[in-house]
Amino acid sequence: GDSVTQMEGPVTLSEEAFLTINCTYTATGYPSLFWYVQYPGEGLQLLLKATKADDKGSNKGFEATYRKETTSFHLEKGSVQVSDSAVYFCALSQAGTALIFGKGTTLSVSS
Amino acid sequence: EAEVAQSPRYKITEKSQAVAFWCDPISGHATLYWYRQILGQGPELLVQFQDESVVDDSQLPKDRFSAERLKGVDSTLKIQPAELGDSAMYLCASSPRLAGATDTQYFGPGTRLTVL
Repeated sequence: GDSVTQMEGPVTLSEEAFLTINCTYTATGYPSLFWYVQYPGEGLQLLLKATKADDKGSNKGFEATYRKETTSFHLEKGSVQVSDSAVYFCALSQAGTALIFGKGTTLSVSS
Repeated sequence: EAEVAQSPRYKITEKSQAVAFWCDPISGHATLYWYRQILGQGPELLVQFQDESVVDDSQLPKDRFSAERLKGVDSTLKIQPAELGDSAMYLCASSPRLAGATDTQYFGPGTRLTVL
């Protein structure tokens, strides 16, 4: 079945450092890909999404590009802030179905 | 901005007791999902509704879990009897329609269940 694999954390960075969180997927067809963020004690918030190959999703300085050839959707940000500290989940969805999530990557940013 | 509502936010119960969680999706959203998130893991689907009909409950432990969405609006998830392994965050999400992979799912704040 479909699955998502993302790099294990925690990822610890200093403020203004460059962030990359790797995500790869296994799926039949052409799923949509998502990054969700979860702050402590809260539900999940959509960060960005891409629906077809070579699409780039972006939001709040975060970016990810849907790479069909490498089945990847890596999350990047050029300069992280303390407020970016959270758990980040990569996920995929086939048409009309539930999301399939990776295990999550905890990001901790210090000032 | 419209949000998915869930209650209670926290629930502590003893094993073998019954518990129930409630979810009110964003108005007009036809599709509703219940996910379970074990600490340190990603959420996993328990049940998916389209309006009042169950679309996918293949991962729902039906011997103890039940879910309903009688009028196609709000939904209740029940566990009876609760077991220690049910301790988790229960998340509700909604999306506008079933068809189309581009639909975004909007999540509620979740219910944190602790079974003692």
